[in-house]
Amino acid sequence: RKEVEQDPGPFNVPEGATVAFNCTYSNSASQSFFWYRQDCRKEPKLLMSVYSSGNEDGRFTAQLNRASQYISLLIRDSKLSDSATYLCVVIGYSGGGADGLTFGKGTHLIIQP
Amino acid sequence: DTAVSQTPKYLVTQMGNDKSIKCEQNLGHDTMYWYKQDSKKFLKIMFSYNNKELIINETVPNRFSPKSPDKAHLNLHINSLELGDSAVYFCASSAGRGQFFGPGTRLTVL
Repeated sequence: RKEVEQDPGPFNVPEGATVAFNCTYSNSASQSFFWYRQDCRKEPKLLMSVYSSGNEDGRFTAQLNRASQYISLLIRDSKLSDSATYLCVVIGYSGGGADGLTFGKGTHLIIQP
Repeated sequence: DTAVSQTPKYLVTQMGNDKSIKCEQNLGHDTMYWYKQDSKKFLKIMFSYNNKELIINETVPNRFSPKSPDKAHLNLHINSLELGDSAVYFCASSAGRGQFFGPGTRLTVL
């Protein structure tokens, strides 16, 4: 099983719809989780941290399920500007160093008018 | 007032050459990183560095070496460039909760 897995998509979603995607991780000792978005030919940008209790930021909700070892991102009332690749990041037991930090390959989201 | 900056933005060079990419952050962060994003868009961490510890991803060839003249800078030196080194290289910094990325350096090895 790969360390961090995401469905690459693309997810084609009509504007205004709700979309959700998951990211599974293999290391049960993982400590920190994040969602990033990356636009075409741009750098990744931090979208939100993922907390155990779940957290919300405007139209975005992130959830962590430790028992099943996945995190999720839900986008409500999707906008055209939400079109991007969404990357999950898992930080393992050793902290945020290069030996404990893994990016998923990303889920490509396309919001259609 | 760019938070994380990289130079150059584009780098085209011949196989076998040695090149460097510079990175600077003005966020006061303790930890800096180098990533490689290949043509399949997979973002892979290469190094993490703070003023105490350099951690190297074991898959990174020793032709790649980070050099940090001070806390705000982490440069990437690449010796004997190979075709497979062509990619976008991102620098990032962090204070512990998420990372801030530079705009990337697109390296093309001919």
